[in-house]
Amino acid sequence: EADIYQTPRYLVIGTGKKITLECSQTMGHDKMYWYQQDPGMELHLIHYSYGVNSTEKGDLSSESTVSRIRTEHFPLTLESARPSHTSQYLCASRNRAKSEAFFGQGTRLTVV
Amino acid sequence: GQQLNQSPQSMFIQEGEDVSMNCTSSSIFNTWLWYKQDPGEGPVLLIALYKAGELTSNGRLTAQFGITRKDSFLNISASIPSDVGIYFCAGQLLQGAQKLVFGQGTRLTINP
Repeated sequence: EADIYQTPRYLVIGTGKKITLECSQTMGHDKMYWYQQDPGMELHLIHYSYGVNSTEKGDLSSESTVSRIRTEHFPLTLESARPSHTSQYLCASRNRAKSEAFFGQGTRLTVV
Repeated sequence: GQQLNQSPQSMFIQEGEDVSMNCTSSSIFNTWLWYKQDPGEGPVLLIALYKAGELTSNGRLTAQFGITRKDSFLNISASIPSDVGIYFCAGQLLQGAQKLVFGQGTRLTINP
């Protein structure tokens, strides 16, 4: 069973607010990822990290930012939320040796 | 851009029927992963494949890593209602950054 947690599960917030989506894993994985997914659609990689102090932008351009100060923690921040940011955000992690990625339960974000 | 083609996009079957879906690409992969996603949840890993030609089972699920390393399939035998969901393939490219590439997903619906 994967030990990767996302909070909050659901968030409804007004336009212009700053938000941080939390992701933590207790597996000691070096690699962590953020994906954006509209309901029932494919996953789009928006950020990834290979370790502490390493962050890279993914394939889909995103106005969000990420940080990796600790191995287990990979938060995603939106400085000013907009309705176009409404989506599900999924966090995942992998260890260095294996390719298997484990996902959190996701955060469903709605910006009104 | 999109490097994995997953098909079919959706399937409507009767309970008890077998299911087959596949992913193909023009690129070579060194790992294939199959995930299932329930509504509002994160994807859950079903099967991981690491060698060309490898055939792996997990209960009623069977997946194979294509000999050419450019494709993989997933079969579900004797489908049951809890098999409903979206199935995603994911591959780790042989060349390039350590990112997983995801297929577009196959939505499985089962009529009782």
